Amino acid sequence: DAGVIQSPRHEVTEMGQEVTLRCKPISGHDYLFWYRQTMMRGLELLIYFNNNVPIDDSGMPEDRFSAKMPNASFSTLKIQPSEPRDSAVYFCASSLGWGGGMDTDTQYFGPGTRLTVL
Amino acid sequence: RKEVEQDPGPFNVPEGATVAFNCTYSNSASQSFFWYRQDCRKEPKLLMSVYSSGNEDGRFTAQLNRASQYISLLIRDSKLSDSATYLCAVNPGFSGGYNKLIFGAGTRLAVHP
Repeated sequence: DAGVIQSPRHEVTEMGQEVTLRCKPISGHDYLFWYRQTMMRGLELLIYFNNNVPIDDSGMPEDRFSAKMPNASFSTLKIQPSEPRDSAVYFCASSLGWGGGMDTDTQYFGPGTRLTVL
Repeated sequence: RKEVEQDPGPFNVPEGATVAFNCTYSNSASQSFFWYRQDCRKEPKLLMSVYSSGNEDGRFTAQLNRASQYISLLIRDSKLSDSATYLCAVNPGFSGGYNKLIFGAGTRLAVHP
């Protein structure tokens, strides 16, 4: 079975440019999560969706960040304009459900996108 | 106080040693608990869920102590391949504001020959 797919795997861009990260969750999973990981702050939840609807975006750093999920098999995280402090690894994860116990709550992570903003 | 706290380590242990990590959480209403393993420059991968009664998977044992609000991971007979960062994750439930996993900063384990 295919796991969570993310693209690109690496992105190097210059400050001020728009960056779009893409994610395809595991088929049948109703929840999709976007995380950011840095050495200083660890793994931070940015936003999550349930059935394509954003539920909690309290972790989105600022208005430069936006996320969409137009259908059950695709989500994007966009940064516009990008800044050097946005450099991090961005992970997408999905889960079957939520609140139903261990099996439904388990999140499966994609390989991540390593973003470098110069 | 952070919602989920771990000792960052590193824990440097010889092959064959037994090592244990703890992870404390602040919300007593937390519902689900997990240990993830993350190798350098890779994504976190589920190692095991943590059940109320404790559970074991080969050399790995996870336990939950609700009274003291911590979970633990015990690794017996450490292998070189166990070297990684171990992240605990807790679902604080609706009382924590929406359902989501809160991850600890991770504990780094280095197993040497």
